[in-house]
Amino acid sequence: SQQGEEDPQALSIQEGENATMNCSYKTSINNLQWYRQNSGRGLVHLILIRSNEREKHSGRLRVTLDTSKKSSSLLITASRAADTASYFCATDAYGNKLVFGAGTILRVKS
Amino acid sequence: GAVVSQHPSWVICKSGTSVKIECRSLDFQATTMFWYRQFPKQSLMLMATSNEGSKATYEQGVEKDKFLINHASLTLSTLTVTSAHPEDSSFYICSAKTDWRETQYFGPGTRLLVL
Repeated sequence: SQQGEEDPQALSIQEGENATMNCSYKTSINNLQWYRQNSGRGLVHLILIRSNEREKHSGRLRVTLDTSKKSSSLLITASRAADTASYFCATDAYGNKLVFGAGTILRVKS
Repeated sequence: GAVVSQHPSWVICKSGTSVKIECRSLDFQATTMFWYRQFPKQSLMLMATSNEGSKATYEQGVEKDKFLINHASLTLSTLTVTSAHPEDSSFYICSAKTDWRETQYFGPGTRLLVL
């Protein structure tokens, strides 16, 4: 069963605005990863945050992790039309396997 | 670096036939490969984990006799959908990783349509 739950399910914003997506999970994890998937394509790895980390940045991406609440957020700043995609969180619970959340569909309007 | 390819990118077949999908790590040796299935507008569901030279480990509810996985080398894993039926129509994605990195690298996916 899917461990990660993401909200919102869909998000529509204007170019230049920030987009925030949230992910919750249920068990202890080794790390949490965020992926992007363009329509009908494979997944692109965005960022990995380990269980002992609280925040991580990569370009316009900012990820936070709160292990006490078992939740993570992905912030995309100054969004662009090219950021339109589905975004998934995935947890690695020490078993070498990734369990994916339901995903958030982001649409950035130009 | 860390490129994973899949072949074919899409396939249409008749019900009852078998379809083989290849997953290759092009520039690294993948000790572990994973096969996922994704239905429209849904998330990825892990089907099985395969380690080079050993039998695949299937997730609960995935029929190992229907979805045959072979991981014969450190750069190639194959998924064969045997006796395919329309309900097997889906997007199949593989990923690969090495022992020394936590990140999985995903292939572009294979869209299967069974008529």
